[in-house]
Amino acid sequence: KAGVTQTPRYLIKTRGQQVTLSCSPISGHRSVSWYQQTPGQGLQFLFEYFSETQRNKGNFPGRFSGRQFSNSRSEMNVSTLELGDSALYLCASSLGPTRDNQPQHFGDGTRLSIL
Amino acid sequence: DQQVKQNSPSLSVQEGRISILNCDYTNSMFDYFLWYKKYPAEGPTFLISISSIKDKNEDGRFTVFLNKSAKHLSLHIVPSQPGDSAVYFCAASAEGSDMRFGAGTRLTVKP
Repeated sequence: KAGVTQTPRYLIKTRGQQVTLSCSPISGHRSVSWYQQTPGQGLQFLFEYFSETQRNKGNFPGRFSGRQFSNSRSEMNVSTLELGDSALYLCASSLGPTRDNQPQHFGDGTRLSIL
Repeated sequence: DQQVKQNSPSLSVQEGRISILNCDYTNSMFDYFLWYKKYPAEGPTFLISISSIKDKNEDGRFTVFLNKSAKHLSLHIVPSQPGDSAVYFCAASAEGSDMRFGAGTRLTVKP
C-alpha cells in the first residue's frame, strides 16, 4: 500500500514568489492535514481538509491556503513568499478527521528554501 | 501558545537500558495522545497512541503512560536499541480541534 506522497521533495524560491505543494494521501484516506516544521519547533498545524472541506485552520496568515480535490489529493499554496517561510512542509493523511481519534500518516515532506 | 511541551530537547541512553521520553500538556480538553518517531529526511512515523480513558498502552518494547491529573505522558522504550535513535514527537488532540505537537526530543542510543 503506497504511503503519503508529497511533491516536490525540494524547492528553492525567492522572496515574493508563490509556491504550490502537492500531497497524495494513502488510498482510501479522506482527511489531509498540513504542517510546517522549522528548526527547534514542533510541527505547526496549518490546516485540515476532509471531503474537500477545510475543517480546521491554524494560526497562519492568509498567504497560506489550501484545497482538497474529489480524489482526496490536496494542494497547499503560499503566496508572496518570505524568508521565514523556509521550512519543511509535511502532509499527513488519515481515514477520517482528527476528531475521530485516528493516527495520521505522514509523507516525507517538501523542503522549501527561500532565498 | 504551546499546549504540548517536550522540555528535554535531547536524551542519550545506553543500548539495552530504558529510554523515558516525557511530554506535558496544558489543555485539559485533550483526549487523544500519540507518539511519533522521525528519522532525518523522512516524515514522522506513528508509534503508539493512548486515549484519555486509559492510563497505559503497551506495544512491544514501547509503552505510553498517561497521568491526566498531572497532564503528563511518557514513552518508555525497553530495551533501547541503536535503531531507536531518532527524534520523538508527542502529539495531542481534542474533539473538533487540530492535533498539537511538541517540539520533539532527540534520542540517541549508544551501542
